[in-house]
Amino acid sequence: IAGITQAPTSQILAAGRRMTLRCTQDMRHNAMYWYRQDLGLGLRLIHYSNTAGTTGKGEVPDGYSVSRANTDDFPLTLASAVPSQTSVYFCASSRGAADEQFFGPGTRLTVL
Amino acid sequence: GQNIDQPTEMTATEGAIVQINCTYQTSGFNGLFWYQQHAGEAPTFLSYNVLDGLEEKGRFSSFLSRSKGYSYLLLKELQMKDSASYLCAVRDGDYKLSFGAGTTVTVRA
Repeated sequence: IAGITQAPTSQILAAGRRMTLRCTQDMRHNAMYWYRQDLGLGLRLIHYSNTAGTTGKGEVPDGYSVSRANTDDFPLTLASAVPSQTSVYFCASSRGAADEQFFGPGTRLTVL
Repeated sequence: GQNIDQPTEMTATEGAIVQINCTYQTSGFNGLFWYQQHAGEAPTFLSYNVLDGLEEKGRFSSFLSRSKGYSYLLLKELQMKDSASYLCAVRDGDYKLSFGAGTTVTVRA
């Protein structure tokens, strides 16, 4: 079934630990995105990639890094997690930057 | 940055109509989206407006006025399954989406 998958579904992490959230899409979409969603703040863009091999910073990039080695995968890494990174993380993709975005099921991350 | 405002909560009765307003101020404009998000789930696309006017899609309609920085989402013949958050999102001049905080709609029997 075509779509976007994210792993893990949820994770509890100790502060200071490194964590990679995985995102894979099989729709051959060029553009991919990472958002975090916090109560009362809505979805905020962390990083994006308009095509494989390129990445860009969104609204809240500090503490996060991404890579886009191929079309399908767009992992998000927290080098040293802090409690303020507790959130629900959504990966999304679109055919191109000008097209509608499709969202993955999300990863609920708790940093203690 | 972007400034997108929408009401926090709305309540309506099954079978009724509800209108969710969204006002925005952005640097550049390349379209406005509405997404639906049920609790604990991912947002799903509802509608897209880039030109002024009304776009109708079944029970849902969306309106845009670019000169006023204003949009609304109209939900008709409300059903219990329409209870969800509705997210207004604006695409800026760099084709990045900025989201409002969302409007939680509760449909009562």
